[in-house]
Amino acid sequence: DGGITQSPKYLFRKEGQNVTLSCEQNLNHDAMYWYRQDPGQGLRLIYYSQIVNDFQKGDIAEGYSVSREKKESFPLTVTSAQKNPTAFYLCASTLGGGARNTEAFFGQGTRLTVV
Amino acid sequence: RKEVEQDPGPFNVPEGATVAFNCTYSNSASQSFFWYRQDCRKEPKLLMSVYSSGNEDGRFTAQLNRASQYISLLIRDSKLSDSATYLCVVNSASKIIFGSGTRLSIRP
Repeated sequence: DGGITQSPKYLFRKEGQNVTLSCEQNLNHDAMYWYRQDPGQGLRLIYYSQIVNDFQKGDIAEGYSVSREKKESFPLTVTSAQKNPTAFYLCASTLGGGARNTEAFFGQGTRLTVV
Repeated sequence: RKEVEQDPGPFNVPEGATVAFNCTYSNSASQSFFWYRQDCRKEPKLLMSVYSSGNEDGRFTAQLNRASQYISLLIRDSKLSDSATYLCVVNSASKIIFGSGTRLSIRP
């Protein structure tokens, strides 16, 4: 079955450490996105990528980094520069490429906690 | 101004009531529009796409008004299982932008 997979589901990090969240999709989608969600809040865009080897900052990119070396993979690194990283992180993908009415498919999310 | 603005609620209504959510967007070149539903501690799931002609799926009706740049969702005969957060979503300049979500609680 086609879908989008995030791992791990739960992640604990010590202060000052970098961690990388995985996101893989086998939907042959061009576009991929990372969002952050805090309790009781909406989704805020961290980074997005419309095509392999290219990505753009979203609204809250500071303290995060991404890469898009393969179409199916869009890992997110939460660096030690991110002052308040505890949150629910969601990865999504869409057909992209200017396609209209393209819904976003989501992974199940990674819940990151700084201890 | 946020690219997508949505009333955060919460809405607390009795079972059987009709509920309406509205959402406005700032980019007039936005191409596609959706409503998603998110349950507590889960990922958002597509509820329905929104078209200019309006579309209906059972108890749910979605409308798009391009001139005024808003989209709406109407839920009729609400059920307890409709309790969730409803997110409006806009595909704008190749970005998928979410509203902050409106929490809905249906009481017996």
